[in-house]
Amino acid sequence: QKEVEQNSGPLSVPEGAIASLNCTYSDRVSQSFFWYRQYSGKSPELIMSIYSNGDKEDGRFTAQLNKASQYVSLLIRDSQPSDSATYLCAVLEDSGYALNFGKGTSLLVTP
Amino acid sequence: GAGVSQSPSNKVTEKGKDVELRCDPISGHTALYWYRQSLGQGLEFLIYFQGNSAPDKSGLPSDRFSAERTGGSVSTLTIQRTQQEDSAVYLCASSLVFGEQYFGPGTRLTVT
Repeated sequence: QKEVEQNSGPLSVPEGAIASLNCTYSDRVSQSFFWYRQYSGKSPELIMSIYSNGDKEDGRFTAQLNKASQYVSLLIRDSQPSDSATYLCAVLEDSGYALNFGKGTSLLVTP
Repeated sequence: GAGVSQSPSNKVTEKGKDVELRCDPISGHTALYWYRQSLGQGLEFLIYFQGNSAPDKSGLPSDRFSAERTGGSVSTLTIQRTQQEDSAVYLCASSLVFGEQYFGPGTRLTVT
């Protein structure tokens, strides 16, 4: 069983700080990685994709990928209370279409 | 533009009854997926459709589950003889690019 692991949290950060969310995966051949945000009672919303080693920035979000360490992370700069949600890491499976999701990290940004 | 839509938003059914859940993908998206999310569990892949090709049903948990996609667009997930363990949120997603999947609001199914 291929695993996608995330710390369940909650991760609590003060408003304006950087939130760092981490994810590890077991399948060494994985090539495509995604971060989704899920507000309580809502469905997952795609926020970032990353395919190559290194950093990818989009506004306040930066995704980081290290395939050698099988590690992907999401940084949220200038965290806002509206960022409070569960963040799901997803890895594209060998099939090329199914996503294997972690159970998510709960983020709480306190004013 | 319009996102993925699903209906009903909530469904309460008695154990043993059949239910049908509907998904209308984003216009132009050829790939359609069904997942389910149970309390405390991650999202679980159920089935995948690409255009008019035969679906990948490898994630369906039992033969009580089936799905079809008509005209390469709308999809229906059917659960026969529902059991309490079927209670979950059923999520539909669609995509143009593999992996970049856009989810609908989900159907919350409660089996009593």
